[in-house]
Amino acid sequence: GNSVTQMEGPVTLSEEAFLTINCTYTATGYPSLFWYVQYPGEGLQLLLKATKADDKGSNKGFEATYRKETTSFHLEKGSVQVSDSAVYFCAHTNDYKLSFGAGTTVTVRA
Amino acid sequence: DAGVIQSPRHEVTEMGQEVTLRCKPISGHNSLFWYRQTMMRGLELLIYFNNNVPIDDSGMPEDRFSAKMPNASFSTLKIQPSEPRDSAVYFCASRGGTTPLQTQYFGPGTRLLVL
Repeated sequence: GNSVTQMEGPVTLSEEAFLTINCTYTATGYPSLFWYVQYPGEGLQLLLKATKADDKGSNKGFEATYRKETTSFHLEKGSVQVSDSAVYFCAHTNDYKLSFGAGTTVTVRA
Repeated sequence: DAGVIQSPRHEVTEMGQEVTLRCKPISGHNSLFWYRQTMMRGLELLIYFNNNVPIDDSGMPEDRFSAKMPNASFSTLKIQPSEPRDSAVYFCASRGGTTPLQTQYFGPGTRLLVL
């Protein structure tokens, strides 16, 4: 069936450190892939997305590349800030239903 | 745009009571989703409406849960009777269009605690 597996947290980093959160998926066909971010006390916000193989989604310094051969969509940011502290969710969809990973809690310390 | 609006933001109730959660989707969006978030199970889709019609309710836990969408600007999720295991954050999301490319916009959630 369709599923998303992402790196377990929590992840704690210092400001300006490099962040990577691994995400792999299983799905039939060619799903669209997403990263959502949830800041404390808020709902989920779309961070970036990619719709076909080799597409790179990017936003706010975050990037992720749709790798069909490894069924992966790893999230990266070269220099994190305290304001990036949040829970990050990888997700995919072939139709209307988003399948989410378990979420990775990231804490950035000053 | 005000975004997706949910009310109440917090709800504390006693076991056995009826709970009604409300959602106002973004104007013009024709798809609405109810999700539940818990530490144990993560984010789960409960029900999906398209053009006010329930399309997929396979995620609704049991008969105690019901959802309605009487018009394009309002939806409710009702739990009757509530139980402690229903304690969770409930999110409503809406989307314009039906392709997977369209982004789902989430509300701030209702944090429910059933004692």
